[in-house]
Amino acid sequence: SQTIHQWPATLVQPVGSPLSLECTVEGTSNPNLYWYRQAAGRGLQLLFYSVGIGQISSEVPQNLSASRPQDRQFILSSKKLLLSDSGFYLCAWRGGVETGELFFGEGSRLTVL
Amino acid sequence: GQNIDQPTEMTATEGAIVQINCTYQTSGFNGLFWYQQHAGEAPTFLSYNVLDGLEEKGRFSSFLSRSKGYSYLLLKELQMKDSASYLCAVPLSGNTPLVFGKGTRLSVIA
Repeated sequence: SQTIHQWPATLVQPVGSPLSLECTVEGTSNPNLYWYRQAAGRGLQLLFYSVGIGQISSEVPQNLSASRPQDRQFILSSKKLLLSDSGFYLCAWRGGVETGELFFGEGSRLTVL
Repeated sequence: GQNIDQPTEMTATEGAIVQINCTYQTSGFNGLFWYQQHAGEAPTFLSYNVLDGLEEKGRFSSFLSRSKGYSYLLLKELQMKDSASYLCAVPLSGNTPLVFGKGTRLSVIA
């Protein structure tokens, strides 16, 4: 069966520090992968998606970047965090043979101080 | 473009029925999804509608009217554990990313 994991689960970072969140999927090949962010009191915002190795689409301008170095690995990064980067980050893959629903990782809660 | 609207909050009593509405505007239509998200956790898939009508899954049902750009999630025999946010989502087109509404936070009270 397919599983998706992301880490770390929780982190507290100072403004201006770098960020790296990692997501891996198991049990499937060439998945479509997504990074979403959920800020306090707001909905899920799509940040990046990838349909294959090295292929990244960005949905919103920001100081974040994403990379897909391997088929089942998706990384979210920042060189210098801003206060506004605080939020709940969710990695997802598009599965569901019939419906194509998203399956989410456990989430990473980032607090920038 | 696309726009998804849902009520921000709802409160209902344990054992009752509640209907959570969602209206959407999309340039094309490729199905509508409902997700449940408990506080501090990731969303989990509840239902998918691509044709008009009602899809029933146990205590949860979801309805779609494509001509009206309208869907609702119906929760029956409410339980305290149903207290969560309910997210409506549609894909931009085909096999592209889902766009989510801001979610409806449901509180079930005794």
